Amino acid sequence: DTGVSQNPRHKITKRGQNVTFRCDPISEHNRLYWYRQTLGQGPEFLTYFQNEAQLEKSRLLSDRFSAERPKGSFSTLEIQRTEQGDSAMYLCASSLGTSGNTIYFGEGSWLTVV
Amino acid sequence: TQLLEQSPQFLSIQEGENLTVYCNSSSVFSSLQWYRQEPGEGPVLLVTVVTGGEVKKLKRLTFQFGDARKDSSLHITAAQPGDTGLYLCAGVDAISGTYKYIFGTGTRLKVLA
Repeated sequence: DTGVSQNPRHKITKRGQNVTFRCDPISEHNRLYWYRQTLGQGPEFLTYFQNEAQLEKSRLLSDRFSAERPKGSFSTLEIQRTEQGDSAMYLCASSLGTSGNTIYFGEGSWLTVV
Repeated sequence: TQLLEQSPQFLSIQEGENLTVYCNSSSVFSSLQWYRQEPGEGPVLLVTVVTGGEVKKLKRLTFQFGDARKDSSLHITAAQPGDTGLYLCAGVDAISGTYKYIFGTGTRLKVLA
């Protein structure tokens, strides 16, 4: 399978714990995006990378959230001191980065904070 | 703030009916994508439109990009239960220089057999 891969697919954690999600983009894609989606809503932009550089971050990405893409390939999204409001699906997507390009999504990582 | 507004938000129709979903903005987009999403899964790309006035067809689905590249529509002919899902439009602002994709709030379609 050469699509965008995310893991874990599901994570249940206690409030206050840290969680980390991993995304492996499509291999030749240089842009990688993280989105958050809650039930009944469209995906909300969190951040994106071009290669290893983090080019833009949403105000939604509080100081408890950090994303990295150290070698310009896979990326991690870490949430520290989780809160119940962090419960959502975290979506990763990647693209080639050319004009008119399309982003392709992974299957998402569901986070439930109890 | 860029916004993509989708209408209607919810749609429940009988199998065989036609429907149109709209995606509107005050911003100009360099490209616009339509996705369908099943519960618990990531969005799956249906189409990308790039040129103002462009029309693309995917079997019973017809996508149109507005002449001014500010709006788009998705028309489904003879809807089937398998078309049920959340339809999302997404676009990249053509002027800001960012490559941040903005998503609409979605249209939840239910096709009844």
